[in-house]
Amino acid sequence: AQKITQTQPGMFVQEKEAVTLDCTYDTSDPSYGLFWYKQPSSGEMIFLIYQGSYDQQNATEGRYSLNFQKARKSANLVISASQLGDSAMYFCAMREGQGAGRRALTFGSGTRLQVQP
Amino acid sequence: DTGVSQNPRHKITKRGQNVTFRCDPISEHNRLYWYRQTLGQGPEFLTYFQNEAQLEKSRLLSDRFSAERPKGSFSTLEIQRTEQGDSAMYLCASSLAHNPDRDLRFNEQFFGPGTRLTVL
Repeated sequence: AQKITQTQPGMFVQEKEAVTLDCTYDTSDPSYGLFWYKQPSSGEMIFLIYQGSYDQQNATEGRYSLNFQKARKSANLVISASQLGDSAMYFCAMREGQGAGRRALTFGSGTRLQVQP
Repeated sequence: DTGVSQNPRHKITKRGQNVTFRCDPISEHNRLYWYRQTLGQGPEFLTYFQNEAQLEKSRLLSDRFSAERPKGSFSTLEIQRTEQGDSAMYLCASSLAHNPDRDLRFNEQFFGPGTRLTVL
């Protein structure tokens, strides 16, 4: 089973509108972290926001917020007041475990967001 | 610039040739990761180092791939006898080692700009 699922290959949003990018995850580890990265056409992965599995509140970072629904295993990214510069690929990722072991991120397949003027 | 740097940014090679990429992590980061990203997909983990020790290798890392981090600073990724299927973006990331007393956020990974490999 895929650990990170992003079901929206592409999304369009009007400038200044809000948009939600979906992400569901699968893990049996009680301790994990969920990340969202932005990848513009230049290729560099830019960290946007993080949610820990034990966090009680949804994470927010400026115009980005994470709608974390633990029981549903979803971690959707909400971008408010979209800007043209938000057009990019967006990846949801997870890191599992608190103890020893791999610390690498597992990524979803991404959602391409296009902001229209 | 104190971010993660990768060289070269682009590499075009013929099938069967060897290539080597370099990654310079953020100076105080002791963990270094290599990922591969093919077109239209998210990055996939290849291997990671803590200091100079290579602690895990993905099954994606075939015998033709080797990675080193000899002094615990920069790292190299070599691909021998390249194949067309090796064409991808190779991303490097670095982080501080995880502290189990700290939230996982503490171990945020910072990515470099990547090396795009094209095998003809």
